[in-house]
Amino acid sequence: QKEVEQNSGPLSVPEGAIASLNCTYSDRVSQSFFWYRQYSGKSPELIMSIYSNGDKEDGRFTAQLNKASQYVSLLIRDSQPSDSATYLCAVTNAGGTSYGKLTFGQGTILTVHP
Amino acid sequence: NAGVTQTPKFQVLKTGQSMTLQCAQDMNHNSMYWYRQDPGMGLRLIYYSASEGTTDKGEVPNGYNVSRLNKREFSLRLESAAPSQTSVYFCASSFVRGVQDSPLHFGNGTRLTVT
Repeated sequence: QKEVEQNSGPLSVPEGAIASLNCTYSDRVSQSFFWYRQYSGKSPELIMSIYSNGDKEDGRFTAQLNKASQYVSLLIRDSQPSDSATYLCAVTNAGGTSYGKLTFGQGTILTVHP
Repeated sequence: NAGVTQTPKFQVLKTGQSMTLQCAQDMNHNSMYWYRQDPGMGLRLIYYSASEGTTDKGEVPNGYNVSRLNKREFSLRLESAAPSQTSVYFCASSFVRGVQDSPLHFGNGTRLTVT
């Protein structure tokens, strides 16, 4: 089993819809969770970080974390064509000993069509 | 504010040649990392440096060496390049403290082709 798994995609949604991206992780003691967006040929850029169970909202983006289920998701409301990119889920292991090392999922390609 | 700067942006090597990828950050971060990204494989950690003066292996260290030159700079060396090292390489940095890890900030990447 991979340490971090994302829904395989590619995911295609119409403009204005909600895009839902999912990620599961295997290390029960993981403490820090991140979503990155990566446009083709570019470097990953941070969208959201989440550390506690529940929801965290930032503009059109909402991250949801459920540590009991080892599950983290990203919702994108009112999706725009500019949201078309690869979304990477990243997880650290036990806080304080991970030295910030992130384990990444393989990414989900999202396409938002007009 | 430049953030994380990587050089070169592109490089073509022949099998057996050596090269060094350079990385520098100006965010006063304590930790630095080298990742490689291959299609379908995601980002995989090659080496990291938790603080100045320390380096440790990541998931895929074979064929690479690193040097943490000072707090700002972290270089990655390929001593004898192989076609399997064809990839996009990303340097990243972070300020690591306590339980909650800070996110990584990435450089723009180096696209390396080994023929």
